[in-house]
Parts: sequence; structure tokens; C-alpha cells
Amino acid sequence: ETGVTQTPRHLVMGMTNKKSLKCEQHLGHNAMYWYKQSAKKPLELMFVYNFKEQTENNSVPSRFSPECPNSSHLFLHLHTLQPEDSALYLCASSPGGTEYGYTFGSGTRLTVV
Amino acid sequence: GQQVMQIPQYQHVQEGEDFTTYCNSSTTLSNIQWYKQRPGGHPVFLIQLVKSGEVKKQKRLTFQFGEAKKNSSLHITATQTTDVGTYFCAGRRVRSGAGSYQLTFGKGTKLSVIP
Repeated sequence: ETGVTQTPRHLVMGMTNKKSLKCEQHLGHNAMYWYKQSAKKPLELMFVYNFKEQTENNSVPSRFSPECPNSSHLFLHLHTLQPEDSALYLCASSPGGTEYGYTFGSGTRLTVV
Repeated sequence: GQQVMQIPQYQHVQEGEDFTTYCNSSTTLSNIQWYKQRPGGHPVFLIQLVKSGEVKKQKRLTFQFGEAKKNSSLHITATQTTDVGTYFCAGRRVRSGAGSYQLTFGKGTKLSVIP
């Protein structure tokens, strides 16, 4: 276990479904991130939260909606997704600041059908 | 925006051979990080370099940060099958004006080791 737990590990959803991804970190970190990892593309930053406040939205379509109720939990709400949204969604956390590496969760493998 | 290019995209080596991956940024970096992702796994933080010309070693892995802080390399000596995976660099640009200061990841170099 990395200290960052993501659920579910796998998710198959139809284009009209609504689902949520969950991330929880037990490391006492102040910053949490959502990344999208697609084949043959670099890791794409989606959202950044510092002390549960969103500090960055990397031009992500509104069908992805993040929620951060506290510094330990992060959600990604999914609605009306497209097949091209199929990817590995990774949550990460860090203590905050620029001098630390990120701790990633195991990811949620999302397939949109 | 900032771009981080990583080469090669793929590398196949015989076990025992050396391996190097290179990372180049379009802008000067304040620091660079390296991650390893095993097949079916998630990225795991390896190291961060901050100083110009910095060299750090972790057992058989040697990390370098260029003098201009725009490039970096990871060298593995005498590869083993446990080294298999994708190695990513991630750079953070120098704070100057508007724009994101979050990490920008390269596409990664996928290493295969033939026993």
C-alpha cells in the first residue's frame, strides 16, 4: 500500500451513467491531485487541491467534477463521459510545496462504453 | 506552455547491459523529479534534483541535472529484470509570471530487459 488508496480499481460505465472515483490519503499531506494517464500520452494533470481548496483546473471538461471535502479525501465525479475518456485515473498527494515528490495511488482503470 | 521531452520512447536491453534515458525541457526548471512505473502499476517517486549540475546515485541508478537546468538523465548500470518498467521525468518550471508551476511529465521511456 502506498498510503494513497483509490477505489474502485476498475470501472466500466455507459456514456449516460454517473459515477464517482474516490481517493483517500493517510500520509498527512496537504496537496492532492487528479491525473489522467492514457496510452502513448504523458501524464495529464487535471486538478490540484491545496488544503482542500482547488488551486488548479487544467482546462478539464465539465463532465469531470472534483470534490475535496477535507485534506484527506478527494473525489472525481463523472457524468456523460465519452469513450475517449477511457484511461487510468491516478490520484496523488504531496506534503505541499515544490520540494517533495508525489505519492500516487494505484489508480482506477476506467472504461467508457 | 512548458514541454518536457523524453527519449527514447522504448529501450530493449540484454540483462547486464546499461541503460540511459534523457529528458529535455523547453524552459529552465527549478527542479526535476524521476518516477518509475512497473507494468500494471502506478508511478513511484525515485528522486528529485534541484541544483545545476547535480548528480545523485541510488545503487545502480545515477541521476544527473544539466548545468543549464533544462535537461536531465537517468542511467542504470548492469540492468536487471527488476528494472523493467517505464521511467518518467517530471519538471517544474522556474517561478516567473503567470502560468502553472505544477509538474510537467515526460511521456516516459519504457524499458524491457531480456534475461
